[in-house]
Amino acid sequence: EPEVTQTPSHQVTQMGQEVILRCVPISNHLYFYWYRQILGQKVEFLVSFYNNEISEKSEIFDDQFSVERPDGSNFTLKIRSTKLEDSAMYFCASLRGGQETQYFGPGTRLLVL
Amino acid sequence: AQSVTQPDIHITVSEGASLELRCNYSYGATPYLFWYVQSPGQGLQLLLKYFSGDTLVQGIKGFEAEFKRSQSSFNLRKPSVHWSDAAEYFCAVGTHGSSNTGKLIFGQGTTLQVKP
Repeated sequence: EPEVTQTPSHQVTQMGQEVILRCVPISNHLYFYWYRQILGQKVEFLVSFYNNEISEKSEIFDDQFSVERPDGSNFTLKIRSTKLEDSAMYFCASLRGGQETQYFGPGTRLLVL
Repeated sequence: AQSVTQPDIHITVSEGASLELRCNYSYGATPYLFWYVQSPGQGLQLLLKYFSGDTLVQGIKGFEAEFKRSQSSFNLRKPSVHWSDAAEYFCAVGTHGSSNTGKLIFGQGTTLQVKP
């Protein structure tokens, strides 16, 4: 069964550093998402991406964040200058469209020190 | 505003007992509803979903959920819980329609503990 993959599984970084989280969505999917889950809290929507552009972003997704689909298979989330409060599990998800299921990757646990 | 409420943060049941996890939503149109399960350190696995039609939906691992429009609820049930069901359960509403992007809005989650 096709699945969403994410790399790395864990990342530790220093405050102020840039990080790039990578995702490979399911190949025939058209909609891509990033969510985050701060430890002990609920899963929160960050951004959705369709037709090579951001279709919606949350208040969390400020200028420090960016997304890209550089080569038609990878979908990346970049945090330009990490803060302590960016420590969380980041999930990538993809959706074919319509009445379909959104599939989640296993997540990247980011720790900012 | 769209929202999902899971009133129970933590539930403990005995193995073999029945289970009901509550979920209430607020959404302007007919919602797309989902239940996901998350085991410790793992990603989110879809248990079941409701888009339209029969309001009682069956999912994996013996779970079912019933959509009740009048109560704005989508409660998850299982007749007999197994120790391996211990996990965190998230209810979510999926936004849809021409002005929406399909994002999911999650509830706070319910942690299920199973006693032997």
